[in-house]
Amino acid sequence: EAQVTQNPRYLITVTGKKLTVTCSQNMNHEYMSWYRQDPGLGLRQIYYSMNVEVTDKGDVPEGYKVSRKEKRNFPLILESPSPNQTSLYFCASRRQEGARAFFGQGTRLTVV
Amino acid sequence: GESVGLHLPTLSVQEGDNSIINCAYSNSASDYFIWYKQESGKGPQFIIDIRSNMDKRQGQRVTVLLNKTVKHLSLQIAATQPGDSAVYFCAENMAGGTSYGKLTFGQGTILTVHP
Repeated sequence: EAQVTQNPRYLITVTGKKLTVTCSQNMNHEYMSWYRQDPGLGLRQIYYSMNVEVTDKGDVPEGYKVSRKEKRNFPLILESPSPNQTSLYFCASRRQEGARAFFGQGTRLTVV
Repeated sequence: GESVGLHLPTLSVQEGDNSIINCAYSNSASDYFIWYKQESGKGPQFIIDIRSNMDKRQGQRVTVLLNKTVKHLSLQIAATQPGDSAVYFCAENMAGGTSYGKLTFGQGTILTVHP
């Protein structure tokens, strides 16, 4: 089954404690992205990657890092989480030629 | 203190009615548009898409209309059902320049279908 898998689904952490949210896709897609979703603000892109070792900032990259060492994986790293990073996070992937994105189920992160 | 976000547009309809959800997009260079449906606790799901060289596309019970003159996109849902209740997002695919391949989403519209 074609899917995008995020882990964990829920995470509560403390300010400053480094964390990683994993994302994996099994569709051999070139493009992968991370979004955060906050009430009334829609989906805002954090980072995206057009292929292995190619990443670029989205609209709200501050406080986040990503890496794309393999085509299927695109982890989101918060080196020093802060409470304003409490949000619902989605990973998405799509083919290079097309633009339809497939989304993961989301990771709800709370930073206290 | 508590942060207050913007209130999403809402649309309430009766079961069986037709629904129209509107979206204004920002970039005249966008070449591809997509509608997504997001149910509570789930990730966005693809509904229908349209390329910029078209002005209408139909799917099963859904139609997307594109007016490039006024940068407006709409989603029409025929015979709306309670299972259609969700938040609907439009997205535009940026073409060209440094934003190539970037998907930008609208804020969303809450659709509530009453039995």
